[in-house]
Amino acid sequence: RKEVEQDPGPFNVPEGATVAFNCTYSNSASQSFFWYRQDCRKEPKLLMSVYSSGNEDGRFTAQLNRASQYISLLIRDSKLSDSATYLCVVNINTNAGKSTFGDGTTLTVKP
Amino acid sequence: GAVVSQHPSWVICKSGTSVKIECRSLDFQATTMFWYRQFPKQSLMLMATSNEGSKATYEQGVEKDKFLINHASLTLSTLTVTSAHPEDSSFYICSAREGPSVVAQHFGDGTRLSIL
Repeated sequence: RKEVEQDPGPFNVPEGATVAFNCTYSNSASQSFFWYRQDCRKEPKLLMSVYSSGNEDGRFTAQLNRASQYISLLIRDSKLSDSATYLCVVNINTNAGKSTFGDGTTLTVKP
Repeated sequence: GAVVSQHPSWVICKSGTSVKIECRSLDFQATTMFWYRQFPKQSLMLMATSNEGSKATYEQGVEKDKFLINHASLTLSTLTVTSAHPEDSSFYICSAREGPSVVAQHFGDGTRLSIL
């Protein structure tokens, strides 16, 4: 079983739709969680950190469920520019240590 | 915000050539940098953790003599692919953290390596 698992998709949605991605992690000692966005043939860019209390940044909402060991990303009012691969990232240590990346979920928003 | 610069962005060379890729943190000091490789339509694979002033830590299955890492200063890490072959063709990306207590990584632009 992979340490971080994501539904690869692809998710094909119309503009304006709401779409949610889930990510599960296997190590209960995991401390830090992030969502990154990667456009085709580009480097990943940090989208947002994920906190236990949940956090929102504009159209994006991230939530963490420690008991069930999953995190989620909700995108409201999808834009064409949201089309990308979304990577779930988990760290065991808050200080130093390597990150474990999920394989990514591909989103295509269509007009 | 934190910027990580990677150079070159694209390399095409003949089989057997050694290729050096540079990763620089432009506005912060990075004691730790990471090197990843990504094949088309696949996820990022961590190759090694580069530590300033000490030897890199390689992931299982990554040949340290094939992929030489040098982290001579707090702002520069280099990855040298020695005697590259077509199967080494990939997208190589570095990343760095702004500090030991900062977990989020900032990625370089990546280097697309094509070995003929």
